[in-house]
Amino acid sequence: QKEVEQDPGPLSVPEGAIVSLNCTYSNSAFQYFMWYRQYSRKGPELLMYTYSSGNKEDGRFTAQVDKSSKYISLFIRDSQPSDSATYLCAMGGNNRLAFGKGNQVVVIP
Amino acid sequence: NAGVTQTPKFRILKIGQSMTLQCTQDMNHNYMYWYRQDPGMGLKLIYYSVGAGITDKGEVPNGYNVSRSTTEDFPLRLELAAPSQTSVYFCASSYQGYNEQFFGPGTRLTVL
Repeated sequence: QKEVEQDPGPLSVPEGAIVSLNCTYSNSAFQYFMWYRQYSRKGPELLMYTYSSGNKEDGRFTAQVDKSSKYISLFIRDSQPSDSATYLCAMGGNNRLAFGKGNQVVVIP
Repeated sequence: NAGVTQTPKFRILKIGQSMTLQCTQDMNHNYMYWYRQDPGMGLKLIYYSVGAGITDKGEVPNGYNVSRSTTEDFPLRLELAAPSQTSVYFCASSYQGYNEQFFGPGTRLTVL
């Protein structure tokens, strides 16, 4: 079993739809959970960061962590064409950071 | 505050050539990292550093070397370039351990 599993997609949605992304992980030592957004030919940028189970909201973005199920999610409400990017989950703990393969999202106007 | 900067943006190498990818951060971060990103494969850690003078291998270090003489700079050296090293290379930094890493814009390297 891979340490971090993320279905690479791609995912196409109409503008205004809710985008739902998720990752699973196998290492119980992971304590920090992040979502990065990467536009084409750019470096990843931190979008959401959390270190506990539960929900965290930031504008149209909600990150959800369920440590008991080793499952994290990212929801994007009222999606916009500018949200078209690749989204990578990342898990940290024990001085390690493991990334998912990334999920390409396309929001169609 | 420029964050993490990388040079060059693009480079084409011939097999067997060597080069150094430059990385500089101005956030006074102790931790710095080098990743490579291949299509559909996510980010793979090559080397990392927890402070000036201290470096360690990541999961794919073969064919690469690093040094960290200052807090700001973390160059990555490729010796005897091979086609398998064709990739996009990202430098990142963080203040505390392996969380909240900030990435540079990347160097796109092709080895022919």
